[in-house]
Amino acid sequence: DQQVKQNSPSLSVQEGRISILNCDYTNSMFDYFLWYKKYPAEGPTFLISISSIKDKNEDGRFTVFLNKSAKHLSLHIVPSQPGDSAVYFCAAYNQGGKLIFGQGTELSVKP
Amino acid sequence: DAGVIQSPRHEVTEMGQEVTLRCKPISGHDYLFWYRQTMMRGLELLIYFNNNVPIDDSGMPEDRFSAKMPNASFSTLKIQPSEPRDSAVYFCASSLASGGNEQFFGPGTRLTVL
Repeated sequence: DQQVKQNSPSLSVQEGRISILNCDYTNSMFDYFLWYKKYPAEGPTFLISISSIKDKNEDGRFTVFLNKSAKHLSLHIVPSQPGDSAVYFCAAYNQGGKLIFGQGTELSVKP
Repeated sequence: DAGVIQSPRHEVTEMGQEVTLRCKPISGHDYLFWYRQTMMRGLELLIYFNNNVPIDDSGMPEDRFSAKMPNASFSTLKIQPSEPRDSAVYFCASSLASGGNEQFFGPGTRLTVL
């Protein structure tokens, strides 16, 4: 049972344009969400998070939007840079304090 | 801080052998997590510790898997005996607290069981 879903396994974007990565979740009790970025042969690194009491959180080029009614969040990267090319994981904390990860979306930013 | 340290980075072994993966969390972090990443199942939590005590091991796939944390700066994940389906990347992560806190991941151990 996939409680956190990233339906797009890959995304290709031109440098300078906006990248939008999407994530859906099934459990309305999830109240804290994180995005991680992963380069090959490295562990995931934390990128940005959002609490369910907010609908937007911004950090430089990265913005996460949360739509609780739709159980949907998205990560916007603008402008996209070639160094942003990586796998992005959406994750949510469940009531037991476990972090549940989506399957990941591989972003490729082309020069 | 050096971050979370894992060893070895790569391990190739034969079916039936014992495998031990090692992790040193970030100093001062009270929580330690072991994850496994596979193509089929993605990134899944195996077990986590709080103050060296195992809290939830419901993700451990079988009795062949065991994890220990003898002190605050060291943890092991052991597979005995190993099987080809155990081939995966195993990550260790640590955090200051659970639920709503960032977890810091190590570089992972790529395990191949032949």
